[in-house]
Amino acid sequence: EAGVTQFPSHSVIEKGQTVTLRCDPISGHDNLYWYRRVMGKEIKFLLHFVKESKQDESGMPNNRFLAERTGGTYSTLKVQPAELEDSGVYFCASSQIRGGSGNTIYFGEGSWLTVV
Amino acid sequence: AQTVTQSQPEMSVQEAETVTLSCTYDTSESDYYLFWYKQPPSRQMILVIRQEAYKQQNATENRFSVNFQKAAKSFSLKISDSQLGDAAMYFCAYRGYNTDKLIFGTGTRLQVFP
Repeated sequence: EAGVTQFPSHSVIEKGQTVTLRCDPISGHDNLYWYRRVMGKEIKFLLHFVKESKQDESGMPNNRFLAERTGGTYSTLKVQPAELEDSGVYFCASSQIRGGSGNTIYFGEGSWLTVV
Repeated sequence: AQTVTQSQPEMSVQEAETVTLSCTYDTSESDYYLFWYKQPPSRQMILVIRQEAYKQQNATENRFSVNFQKAAKSFSLKISDSQLGDAAMYFCAYRGYNTDKLIFGTGTRLQVFP
């Protein structure tokens, strides 16, 4: 079974440009999450999709970030325009069920974003 | 708000030895879950071990075990018989009982020397 896959694995862009990160969750997982780790700091929650609906987007830093999950399958996270402080690793994760002790969240390898 | 603290940015251990990674957390909730995740270089972050707060017994998974001290809000990870493949970033995480959101610590980089 394929795990959570993310693309691109690395991206270097100039300040002011746009970057779109893609995440393919594990097949059949309705729940999809985006997290971000800025260098040296903790991994922080960005948002949670249940199928195509945004369940919780309380972690999105500002309106330069736009996440979509059309059709409830893969998701994209667009940063436009990118700023230097957006550099970091963006993790996508998915899970089959919500809450409870049986909920295992599976993570991808992360997309490394460097804004110069 | 809940917080998770990992006070050891880096740790090292010799192969076959035992190492303990520290994690403390702060919460006002009584029911919650705690996790240790491992991310090897350029690899996926994987779940190492999980602990339900309502369970008094410490979780174990093969060479990995935790020391869960609920009153002290401490959740350390012990790795026994360390192997070269254990080298990775280790993240401690908290999840409330009725939420899907994970709250992570800053991570501990573990090096394993032959």
